[in-house]
Amino acid sequence: EAQVTQNPRYLITVTGKKLTVTCSQNMNHEYMSWYRQDPGLGLRQIYYSMNVEVTDKGDVPEGYKVSRKEKRNFPLILESPSPNQTSLYFCASSFGTGYSYEQYFGPGTRLTVT
Amino acid sequence: KQEVTQIPAALSVPEGENLVLNCSFTDSAIYNLQWFRQDPGKGLTSLLLIQSSQREQTSGRLNASLDKSSGRSTLYIAASQPGDSATYLCAVQASGIQGAQKLVFGQGTRLTINP
Repeated sequence: EAQVTQNPRYLITVTGKKLTVTCSQNMNHEYMSWYRQDPGLGLRQIYYSMNVEVTDKGDVPEGYKVSRKEKRNFPLILESPSPNQTSLYFCASSFGTGYSYEQYFGPGTRLTVT
Repeated sequence: KQEVTQIPAALSVPEGENLVLNCSFTDSAIYNLQWFRQDPGKGLTSLLLIQSSQREQTSGRLNASLDKSSGRSTLYIAASQPGDSATYLCAVQASGIQGAQKLVFGQGTRLTINP
């Protein structure tokens, strides 16, 4: 089954404790992206990757890191989480960007930072 | 800067009714527009993608239209069912090197279908 998976689905952590949220897709997609969803602010892009070893900042990259060492994986790293990073996080992927490229989203990771 | 607006924010209708959800965007330079469904605690499920050169797309009881020149899209749901209750999001992918790297989302319409 074609899908985007994220782990963990739920995470409660404390300020300053490094964490990684994994994202994996099995569709051989080149493009992958991370979004966060907050009430009243909607979904905003954090980082994206056009291919292996090619990443760039989205609209809200502060406090996050990413890497793309393999085509199928795009982990999101919070090196020193803070309470304002409490949010619902989504990973997305597609074959590319352009007219006909539909984006597929993972199930989400709900992160709480205390 | 591209902005996407969805009105109304919430909608409640009785089962069986046909309904229309609205989406508007400020910049007509887009590659495509995508409609998603989001269930509580779940991810986003893609419903329909309309390329900028297309006028509409249909999938089962869903029909999405696009009027790029006026910056509007509608999602028509026929014969609504309680299982259609969810939040519906529209998102545009702007054309151009920078804009194409992300989707710009509306805030969503929370739809409730009453049995």
